[in-house]
Amino acid sequence: DIQMTQSPSFLSASVGDRVTINCKASQNINKYLNWYQQKLGEAPKRLIYNTNNLQTGIPSRFSGSGSGTDYTLTISSLQPEDFATYFCLQHNSFRTFGGGTKLELK
Amino acid sequence: EVQLVESGGGLVQPGRSLKLSCAASGFTFSNYYMAWVRQAPKKGLEWVATISTSGSRTYYPDSVKGRFTISRDNAKSSLYLQMNSLKSEDTATYYCARMVANGYFDYWGQGVMVTVSS
Repeated sequence: DIQMTQSPSFLSASVGDRVTINCKASQNINKYLNWYQQKLGEAPKRLIYNTNNLQTGIPSRFSGSGSGTDYTLTISSLQPEDFATYFCLQHNSFRTFGGGTKLELK
Repeated sequence: EVQLVESGGGLVQPGRSLKLSCAASGFTFSNYYMAWVRQAPKKGLEWVATISTSGSRTYYPDSVKGRFTISRDNAKSSLYLQMNSLKSEDTATYYCARMVANGYFDYWGQGVMVTVSS
């Protein structure tokens, strides 16, 4: 089974900051890596699919990169509505999620 | 608008069974693979089951294989999860999710809570 290690688990930042969240796979996942955002009490929302493809309607301040086993979500300039929990998903072999990153207002 | 609405959760004793339902609307249900994903309290997400468009193929992780059964009724645009021999570690919020070509999850429901406790 593929394991996904997401870091950091918690992140404090301010509006306007640039932040990065990382996911490391236990083996090559061939860029089959997605990022989701979840706010308390809401359904998860897809942000990025297959490493670097932005879902329709998602602001361009969100971007993804990576290859092989290492992947990154970047938010270029945090907005108030971005404070939420983020998690990655690999879908190269079955489906495994990262542990999540809670992004909080500093 | 795609909508997925789960129901059937609640408190159940260890060893008992429970069946979850998910009512889908806003898209052609029979064209999509569907899945269940769960999230234990203060834990990460775990994929639980996937079913093909016709229902002929199903997939499970080892943690639930043999205990959980995913099924669908395309005429009713509904997805189900039959959970047997429930354990305390099955306590979680269960989400119904639509899949993109058996790849990733694109739409999720709001989730339904299942608590396994005596």
